[in-house]
Amino acid sequence: DADVTQTPRNRITKTGKRIMLECSQTKGHDRMYWYRQDPGLGLRLIYYSFDVKDINKGEISDGYSVSRQAQAKFSLSLESAIPNQTALYFCATSGGAPYNEQFFGPGTRLTVL
Amino acid sequence: AQSVTQPDIHITVSEGASLELRCNYSYGATPYLFWYVQSPGQGLQLLLKYFSGDTLVQGIKGFEAEFKRSQSSFNLRKPSVHWSDAAEYFCAADNAGNMLTFGGGTRLMVKP
Repeated sequence: DADVTQTPRNRITKTGKRIMLECSQTKGHDRMYWYRQDPGLGLRLIYYSFDVKDINKGEISDGYSVSRQAQAKFSLSLESAIPNQTALYFCATSGGAPYNEQFFGPGTRLTVL
Repeated sequence: AQSVTQPDIHITVSEGASLELRCNYSYGATPYLFWYVQSPGQGLQLLLKYFSGDTLVQGIKGFEAEFKRSQSSFNLRKPSVHWSDAAEYFCAADNAGNMLTFGGGTRLMVKP
């Protein structure tokens, strides 16, 4: 089984709808991250969490919210989806300092019409 | 501001030819450096990483990268490319063990 899983893998939705993307990990890591990938821009950080009680905004958090339900679970929500949130979304985990090597899920492709 | 730049958006090489993908970083101090590969429909897989010490690091799948402090570069190389290497490659940097900054990616195409 994969160490980092994301559901759903693909989602098409309409403008204004609420969407939740879920991430689970079995690596036992405390740190979890949400990124979005757009062509030519690489991956940009949306939110991150260093433990269950810690939530931090990343570079592009506007229009998104997150919930850390447990050490192993970190969900990303789009409260009212808009077309420019169409992207590939990745969840990642890491064991933290000193090296912070991150492990990525397979991604969720989200299309907002 | 901290940044990572991959100057080449697309690169096409012939199968069996050598490959070099460029990566430059802009940080106050030498960051930790990573190369990831993303195959179509897949997540990111770590190819190799540099933290300190030997400036030539070996990774998986026959890849290596060389850290050059004077050029603020961490270029990825492979002596002989295989068709299965076609993918998108991302360079990333982390200056404090907390946050990765990614380059824009280089898409590699391999000609038969």
